[in-house]
Parts: sequence; C-alpha cells; structure tokens
Amino acid sequence: TQLLEQSPQFLSIQEGENLTVYCNSSSVFSSLQWYRQEPGEGPVLLVTVVTGGEVKKLKRLTFQFGDARKDSSLHITAAQPGDTGLYLCAGASRNAGNMLTFGGGTRLMVKP
Amino acid sequence: SQTIHQWPATLVQPVGSPLSLECTVEGTSNPNLYWYRQAAGRGLQLLFYSVGIGQISSEVPQNLSASRPQDRQFILSSKKLLLSDSGFYLCAWSVILGSTDTQYFGPGTRLTVL
Repeated sequence: TQLLEQSPQFLSIQEGENLTVYCNSSSVFSSLQWYRQEPGEGPVLLVTVVTGGEVKKLKRLTFQFGDARKDSSLHITAAQPGDTGLYLCAGASRNAGNMLTFGGGTRLMVKP
Repeated sequence: SQTIHQWPATLVQPVGSPLSLECTVEGTSNPNLYWYRQAAGRGLQLLFYSVGIGQISSEVPQNLSASRPQDRQFILSSKKLLLSDSGFYLCAWSVILGSTDTQYFGPGTRLTVL
C-alpha cells in the first residue's frame, strides 16, 4: 500500500507570510499532482509534476518534485486570504495502474 | 473543453433508503472514471474506478456499488444506506497522456444519512 504523508495538517498564518506544505512518501511516483479545494466544492488541479527535481511556478506558488520522485513541496510566497483552502497532493504510480494516492490534506487559513 | 457534472448537489436520506448519485462527463471519449468519498476536511478515499463501459473495479468493501451504463456516465448506488455512508462524494475523470494521469473532479455531492 502506498502512502502519502502531508504536513502540516493545519496552518493558520497572517496575510503576507510565506509557507511551505510537504508531501512525503517511501514510494516512487510517476507523477504528482497538487489540488486546492474550497469548502463544498470539488478539488481543482493546480499543477502536475513529472520529472524528478522539476520546479513549476504558478504566480506566488512554487511546486517542487523531489529528485527521487518520492516527495514534493508547495511553497506560497506572500500568502493572501484568497489562498485559504484545503491543499491536497496526489501521486500516480504505474505499478498501481496509475491510480492516484492522496495525502491527508493541509488546511490553510490566511487571515487578513 | 471537458466538463464534469454531478447531481444532486446535496441529499438527505433516511437510513435504509436507496441511493443513486449520477456523474456525467462531456467533451471527451472513453475516459477513466472514479468515485471518491471524502471525510470532512480530509483526503480522498477511492471507492470505484472504471476504464470502460460495464467495467467496474472496487477498491474497498462496502455498502455501495457502481455502474457505467454509458461511456461518459458513472453511477454510484446503494440498496440500503447506513449512517456511515454520510460524506462528500466526488466523481472524477482522466485520460492517460504519456506518463501522466491527471484527474479532474466534479463539484461533489454532500450526502447526509439520518
């Protein structure tokens, strides 16, 4: 069974602060995806990373895939209240038929 | 562009009643389809997935079943609901491109069993 551990589970910060969310596993993934979910809505895809060591930027969000493709991080610079939500990482493995394994999520609250 | 629909958006059902949740996808052919359940504010648990019409794989034993009567339609059902079936149900679709299998989610159905 593949597991993805996300940390922290909860994060409450002030507007303008920086933060990093981590997603770790002992398994190798062929790709890893990050989603953001608002209450009562479905998760919305933010990014997919495929190559070990890959870094992708989406405005103030920076995503990194570990060299060994076992871990990933999401860094938010100068967080804003609009960044509030549940952030989910999900890894796909060819050994598991490309099924996604989801982390437990990080609930972020950015206070104005 | 592709879109995914789920209905109903919310549902309140008594224990022991039947259930039918529907998911449809537009703008793509032969997608992989998935049903997930999400506990409050937490990660997703895969319930069923389908790679084609009539092909259903179950990930966890439970009180629920799934069917795929058409290429872009996925249905989640139960004959008799339990209290533990309450939750947020999400449908997703994907098409494998190269080494990636990105999944796209519907808006979800909030089910409350009383």
